[in-house]
Amino acid sequence: DVKVTQSSRYLVKRTGEKVFLECVQDMDHENMFWYRQDPGLGLRLIYFSYDVKMKEKGDIPEGYSVSREKKERFSLILESASTNQTSMYLCASSSRRVIRNEQFFGPGTRLTVL
Amino acid sequence: QKEVEQNSGPLSVPEGAIASLNCTYSDRGSQSFFWYRQYSGKSPELIMSIYSNGDKEDGRFTAQLNKASQYVSLLIRDSQPSDSATYLCAVNSAENTNAGKSTFGDGTTLTVKP
Repeated sequence: DVKVTQSSRYLVKRTGEKVFLECVQDMDHENMFWYRQDPGLGLRLIYFSYDVKMKEKGDIPEGYSVSREKKERFSLILESASTNQTSMYLCASSSRRVIRNEQFFGPGTRLTVL
Repeated sequence: QKEVEQNSGPLSVPEGAIASLNCTYSDRGSQSFFWYRQYSGKSPELIMSIYSNGDKEDGRFTAQLNKASQYVSLLIRDSQPSDSATYLCAVNSAENTNAGKSTFGDGTTLTVKP
């Protein structure tokens, strides 16, 4: 069974803290994505990566960075968390080897910044 | 104009009825089309994909694609309360196909009343 896992389901952090969100997939997918989802705003792409050590900015990269040192792992970093980064964070992966490449999502991390 | 638009909802149907969810997209070069279901507090899961004009049926679900009209829909027959969820339409354009990137609509929330 294909799987995308995220390090935490719920996370509470304080303003100014550095926050790491980890995502691991076991499908040997080349592409990995980080989204945030807020009520009324839909899914918004933060960053994506199409290969190890490669990254591309999405629609809302400000305040975030990413790291992809291994193919299966994609990390989202909040350098200095702020209250407006309270959100549901979703990781996804997809293959580049097929044209019909749907995305597989992890369970999500609900982050609260106090 | 948004790249992928869905009827805003919420949509409410009685149990046993047909639920019709609609999606339009702006990029004529789009090649892959997906419907995801997202239960409250959960992550999106793929329920249907469609790549060529016409209908594709899977159990109670039928996806319909009309590339000339840039329109994709999802029909749910014999709707059940367990179908109550938000449905996300996603489109991979020609440009994004190789990158495995999808553009998501904001979703339509469906409630099936017993």
